[in-house]
Amino acid sequence: GDSVTQMEGPVTLSEEAFLTINCTYTATGYPSLFWYVQYPGEGLQLLLKATKADDKGSNKGFEATYRKETTSFHLEKGSVQVSDSAVYFCALSGPQETSGSRLTFGEGTQLTVNP
Amino acid sequence: DTEVTQTPKHLVMGMTNKKSLKCEQHMGHRAMYWYKQKAKKPPELMFVYSYEKLSINESVPSRFSPECPNSSLLNLHLHALQPEDSALYLCASSGGDSGIYGYTFGSGTRLTVV
Repeated sequence: GDSVTQMEGPVTLSEEAFLTINCTYTATGYPSLFWYVQYPGEGLQLLLKATKADDKGSNKGFEATYRKETTSFHLEKGSVQVSDSAVYFCALSGPQETSGSRLTFGEGTQLTVNP
Repeated sequence: DTEVTQTPKHLVMGMTNKKSLKCEQHMGHRAMYWYKQKAKKPPELMFVYSYEKLSINESVPSRFSPECPNSSLLNLHLHALQPEDSALYLCASSGGDSGIYGYTFGSGTRLTVV
């Protein structure tokens, strides 16, 4: 079945450092790929998405490129801020099923950014 | 309106109680979902409703009973829960049947079973 593997955390960085969170996936067909962010005590927010190979998703300074050849969707940001401290989930949605779609999550990566 | 609204935000219930979680969206999304999230873990899918019909039940115990009264509302009825059911319960919706554009999640109901 489908699966998502994220780099293990926690990740601790200083403000303005460069961020990479690795994500690789296994899926049949051509999944859509997502990064979700969860701030403490809140639900998940869609950070960015890519729906086909070589698409680049971007939002709030974060970027990720859908790489079919390496089955990867790594999250990057050039200069992190304290407010970026959160848990980041990589996820995929498989080809449309009979009805409703299933979102498969990675284990999540806790990011802490220190001033 | 681009939100999914969940009520209540916090709920404490005894093991003999009956309670309900509510979820509402007005984005015209036709698929709605219930997820359960334990601390420091990813969300786990419980139920999927598509066009107001239950399409996926991930072998969830019968003490959890979902209901979709109309295309904007989703309920989760709780009865005779166990302490291990304490978790964050997340509702989500997506456009059409495909998750190609991603889900919109609510902020969740934090449930404590005592």
